[in-house]
This record gives sequence, C-alpha cells and structure tokens, in this order.
Amino acid sequence: DTGVSQDPRHKITKRGQNVTFRCDPISEHNRLYWYRQTLGQGPEFLTYFQNEAQLEKSRLLSDRFSAERPKGSFSTLEIQRTEQGDSAMYLCASSFGSDSYNSPLHFGNGTRLTVT
Amino acid sequence: AQSVTQPDIHITVSEGASLELRCNYSYGATPYLFWYVQSPGQGLQLLLKYFSGDTLVQGIKGFEAEFKRSQSSFNLRKPSVHWSDAAEYFCSLNTGFQKLVFGTGTRLLVSP
Repeated sequence: DTGVSQDPRHKITKRGQNVTFRCDPISEHNRLYWYRQTLGQGPEFLTYFQNEAQLEKSRLLSDRFSAERPKGSFSTLEIQRTEQGDSAMYLCASSFGSDSYNSPLHFGNGTRLTVT
Repeated sequence: AQSVTQPDIHITVSEGASLELRCNYSYGATPYLFWYVQSPGQGLQLLLKYFSGDTLVQGIKGFEAEFKRSQSSFNLRKPSVHWSDAAEYFCSLNTGFQKLVFGTGTRLLVSP
C-alpha cells in the first residue's frame, strides 16, 4: 500500500491558462474521488469514478472542469481558462467498495493551485 | 438538509490535558460519520468512523468518539493530548457512495 499519490504538489498559473492534475489511487481501489478545499473550509465533493465510469459530478464542477479515469487506474483533473476563484487545494481520494456507505476514503496530500 | 457543524474554529489545550471537539450533524437518515485529521500541507487521515452498533467508537492515536442520536452529535475525545496532536480536525457525514459533507474544521493548538 503506497498510498494515494498526487502530482504536482503545487501549481502556480496565470489566469486564463489551463492546468491538469494527476492522481494515482491505491492500486486495488475501484473508486476514485476529487474534492476541493479552500482556505479555512472543509473539503467539498467534486466528482467520483467507479472504475472508469464517472458516476456523479457536483454542481460545483463547472463546464471548465473535466475529469477522466481512462483505464480505471489513474485520474486527471483539468481546469480550463483558470480563474482566481479556482485557487484551492485539490484532493484526490480512493476506496474499495461495493456498497455506498462502507470503505472509508484514503486521501492523497493534494495539489495546491494558485491562480495569479 | 445535509450539513455538519463544528462550532469551534480554534481550541487550545495544554499538553497532557483532555480534549473534546464538538460536531453536530443534520441528516434525514441513519448517519455514517467520520473524523479526519489534517496536518499542514497534507491530506486527510482517517481517525475513526461510526456506521452502526456501539455508539462509542475507538480510533487511532488514542482518539474516541461518541455518537448521540438524540443530540445529533459525534464529539471527538482524547484523554491526554500530545504536542503531535496539533492539527486541524474535520468531522464528516457520508451522504452515500462516500460523498462526504465536511464541517469547517477545528484547529487544535497544544500549549506546553
């Protein structure tokens, strides 16, 4: 168990640029989640995958955001035309489960995005 | 409405003293509750979880939490705090398929 890995740890970009983050979940985990955490707040759910299927997206995820998990392993989160309001910590988490309530999440250390 | 409230933004505790962090939830069904801890610049680590059964649950690092349905609470406790416990603590509610609703967190400061 090497844990959930996220890359990069930090990203500074100028407003209007596109950015992409990567998440590698724990290898046997079939579910992968993206959360966003702004300063002084708890994480907020963005989206999740079961294997390669994206099953739900929060209304927080505007059209500028897209997430993929092409082979049911790693995932990418892309933000197009970044805005200063996108500045946050983006957390990835994974779990293994077949029901909706068990299998707690294992979080990565996050990618901190700063939009200037 | 589904929500989690952590009424204390900051708490300072002397090393060796006991700790209680408050958490209240609002949910229309059986709640599945978690406490996570986050050190600066790090992700979240699960301390403990409540699904059903015994209302007093034990977690890692000597933490425990008590579920009280009548008070819609899930408070976190530790009998003796260590300096390494200084961190931010988040209470969360599973609304299904691990879509967690988090409180705003309580930052724990430990004084010598």
